[in-house]
Amino acid sequence: DQQVKQNSPSLSVQEGRISILNCDYTNSMFDYFLWYKKYPAEGPTFLISISSIKDKNEDGRFTVFLNKSAKHLSLHIVPSQPGDSAVYFCAASETYNNNDMRFGAGTRLTVKP
Amino acid sequence: DTGVSQDPRHKITKRGQNVTFRCDPISEHNRLYWYRQTLGQGPEFLTYFQNEAQLEKSRLLSDRFSAERPKGSFSTLEIQRTEQGDSAMYLCASSLSNGVQFFGPGTRLTVL
Repeated sequence: DQQVKQNSPSLSVQEGRISILNCDYTNSMFDYFLWYKKYPAEGPTFLISISSIKDKNEDGRFTVFLNKSAKHLSLHIVPSQPGDSAVYFCAASETYNNNDMRFGAGTRLTVKP
Repeated sequence: DTGVSQDPRHKITKRGQNVTFRCDPISEHNRLYWYRQTLGQGPEFLTYFQNEAQLEKSRLLSDRFSAERPKGSFSTLEIQRTEQGDSAMYLCASSLSNGVQFFGPGTRLTVL
């Protein structure tokens, strides 16, 4: 059951421009959302998170937006850098303890110099 | 390096053989998780431990799979009578009780 969906398998942007990665979810009980970044031959690395009581969380070049009514979240990276090229996974859980995180299939971001 | 480590990084086995993977979490983390990831998909939750207690298991964890964390530190994941469909990346993660999960590099299993 695909409770977390990332409908764009890949995204290519020019260095310095904004990257927008999207994620949709179906389970209205999800209240904690995370983005992970994965480089080849490495495990996923935590990037940024947001709880359902917020609609925006910012950390440097990375901002996550949450639209609960639309069951949609997005990750904005600005400005994008070639080192941001990786696979980005959206994840969600029903509790802050995130015992049972559900991941999307990932979006491969390529940032071209 | 004080991150999550997994051993081996790669395992090739023949169908029907048993395999065992090891995960060493970040030392102060009391929670440990196992995930499976197949090509083109995100990680799928298999099971997790709070200290030595296995608190939750996914229905993906068939009876051929068993996980242990005997002393609340490292964990092992054993797959008995492997099948070709078991070929995947097996990821381990650890966390504090209310914390973000930190992932290891994974063990890639290939069943011939």
